[in-house]
Amino acid sequence: KQEVTQIPAALSVPEGENLVLNCSFTDSAIYNLQWFRQDPGKGLTSLLLIQSSQREQTSGRLNASLDKSSGRSTLYIAASQPGDSATYLCAVRTSGTYKYIFGTGTRLKVLA
Amino acid sequence: GAGVSQSPRYKVAKRGQDVALRCDPISGHVSLFWYQQALGQGPEFLTYFQNEAQLDKSGLPSDRFFAERPEGSVSTLKIQRTQQEDSAVYLCASSFGQGGGLWNQPQHFGDGTRLSIL
Repeated sequence: KQEVTQIPAALSVPEGENLVLNCSFTDSAIYNLQWFRQDPGKGLTSLLLIQSSQREQTSGRLNASLDKSSGRSTLYIAASQPGDSATYLCAVRTSGTYKYIFGTGTRLKVLA
Repeated sequence: GAGVSQSPRYKVAKRGQDVALRCDPISGHVSLFWYQQALGQGPEFLTYFQNEAQLDKSGLPSDRFFAERPEGSVSTLKIQRTQQEDSAVYLCASSFGQGGGLWNQPQHFGDGTRLSIL
């Protein structure tokens, strides 16, 4: 059974810092992995999707990497800003299934 | 066009009542997912539709939960005889999902329906 873990559960950093969020999963037979952002009281916004054949994806100040064999993904945020404050969730789709399994998220606070 | 729309945004019901939650996906999106999100947790999968076909309902917690998408667009999640443990945010997501790219399309989420059972 696929399980997804995110570390740390919460993170508070001063503005301008580069930071790394971690996601690990137990079953490496995945179809893809997706990183999302969730603001309070809102739905999820897709940030990056990495296919199983890919090693990383980049969008602006965000870079996500995938190491399928070790069951890990990282989300790198460069030059963090107060507007980056949100909960970040990763989710994996295991091969042969339709569902995404989510981690419990990392609550990020970027201080001005 | 418009994003995924869910209604109502908030629903309060007494224990034992039936509720219906609506999801309007992005026009043309083939795939539709329902999730349940408890406070402080990640979303948990409930069910998946490909057009009007419900291909996976393994996440529905009990037979009190029922979902449909009769014409392959709007979907309704119905909960019968609600119980307090049903209190959560219910999220709907859709993705374009056609042809070979079916499984590598990002999901677009609505803002959810917050359900409170008294």
